[in-house]
Amino acid sequence: DTAVSQTPKYLVTQMGNDKSIKCEQNLGHDTMYWYKQDSKKFLKIMFSYNNKELIINETVPNRFSPKSPDKAHLNLHINSLELGDSAVYFCASSLRTTSGANVLTFGAGSRLTVL
Amino acid sequence: AQSVTQPDIHITVSEGASLELRCNYSYGATPYLFWYVQSPGQGLQLLLKYFSGDTLVQGIKGFEAEFKRSQSSFNLRKPSVHWSDAAEYFCAVSGSWGKLQFGAGTQVVVTP
Repeated sequence: DTAVSQTPKYLVTQMGNDKSIKCEQNLGHDTMYWYKQDSKKFLKIMFSYNNKELIINETVPNRFSPKSPDKAHLNLHINSLELGDSAVYFCASSLRTTSGANVLTFGAGSRLTVL
Repeated sequence: AQSVTQPDIHITVSEGASLELRCNYSYGATPYLFWYVQSPGQGLQLLLKYFSGDTLVQGIKGFEAEFKRSQSSFNLRKPSVHWSDAAEYFCAVSGSWGKLQFGAGTQVVVTP
């Protein structure tokens, strides 16, 4: 059983299109995250939800909209895709702490290529 | 603001040799520190973490790390590297709500 699963694993699309990436975790965690890894392998947080509530919202274009229908799912919808959106998007989950002592479990990543 | 520096972008090591990856952090309070590994085409796997207590932390796959507050460092070590250890290694510090700040990563190449 995959703990944090993302679909699709690969996504190739044209500029201007809209696409979604889905994430599900079966670890019983209450907090989920989206991270972006650029072509230089740099990882940066985008969003985090705790029990369906948005708790971290980094400086991300409005074209990116996360949605968490329940605490086991976190989806990422991207409108009007641009070349610079090409990256690997990682979903992660953890149990909540406010101290920062969260241990994140990552999914395998979704590689988005915008042509 | 918290930050993490991994001074070595790329390290080449012979199989069986020892490995040390450097990590320096900047954080105002007690840091929560992590090392993750990313094998080619894979996600990130937690190797080990430091929250408090013993400053020498043991992890999976034979890795260990030592927290040194005076040097703001959290270096990762392995006594004898295997070919399967070739990967990208990330050091990270955690802020509130589990927001991980990652270093730029160190790519490890293992030669026969």
